[in-house]
Amino acid sequence: EPEVTQTPSHQVTQMGQEVILRCVPISNHLYFYWYRQILGQKVEFLVSFYNNEISEKSEIFDDQFSVERPDGSNFTLKIRSTKLEDSAMYFCAQVLAQYNEQFFGPGTRLTVL
Amino acid sequence: AQSVTQLDSHVSVSEGTPVLLRCNYSSSYSPSLFWYVQHPNKGLQLLLKYTSAATLVKGINGFEAEFKKSETSFHLTKPSAHMSDAAEYFCVVSDPSGTYKYIFGTGTRLKVLA
Repeated sequence: EPEVTQTPSHQVTQMGQEVILRCVPISNHLYFYWYRQILGQKVEFLVSFYNNEISEKSEIFDDQFSVERPDGSNFTLKIRSTKLEDSAMYFCAQVLAQYNEQFFGPGTRLTVL
Repeated sequence: AQSVTQLDSHVSVSEGTPVLLRCNYSSSYSPSLFWYVQHPNKGLQLLLKYTSAATLVKGINGFEAEFKKSETSFHLTKPSAHMSDAAEYFCVVSDPSGTYKYIFGTGTRLKVLA
């Protein structure tokens, strides 16, 4: 089964700092997605990314967030100036052409102090 | 708009007894529905999926779910609970109106008693 990987597994940062979360894609992908899960809460959609462009974003995905593929392979989520409430688990996911489901990475736990 | 409602935030069962986790969906389209499990401090693992094929879907670890259009339900069941089933379970619907993003339910925490 295809595997999506994410780095780092855990990131601790100070409020106001920038963080970059990375997702290593599987080949033959269609869409990329980022989701977040605040501790004890449900998983929420942040953004979808297709053909190097944002396809859809939620209300959570404000100007502090950005996504890109800096080197044509890895897929990153950047938070420019972190807030305490950004502390959460962040998951990336992909849809592959031959599957009718999203494959999730193991997540990055972001802790903002 | 697509949505899912998980009717129970917590379910407790004794080991060896059946498990029933309830999920109702709302969809303007023929939905794709999924159940994911999340063990403590772990990622999301797909248990099973319904994508308009057979209405009774079998998944991993003995779980299954039945898609009932008339009841707009997709309940998850298992005949006999095991201690290792204790986890958070999420019912998910895929939203075809945009980019097929997932819409998660609020989750059901399953506790298995010895």
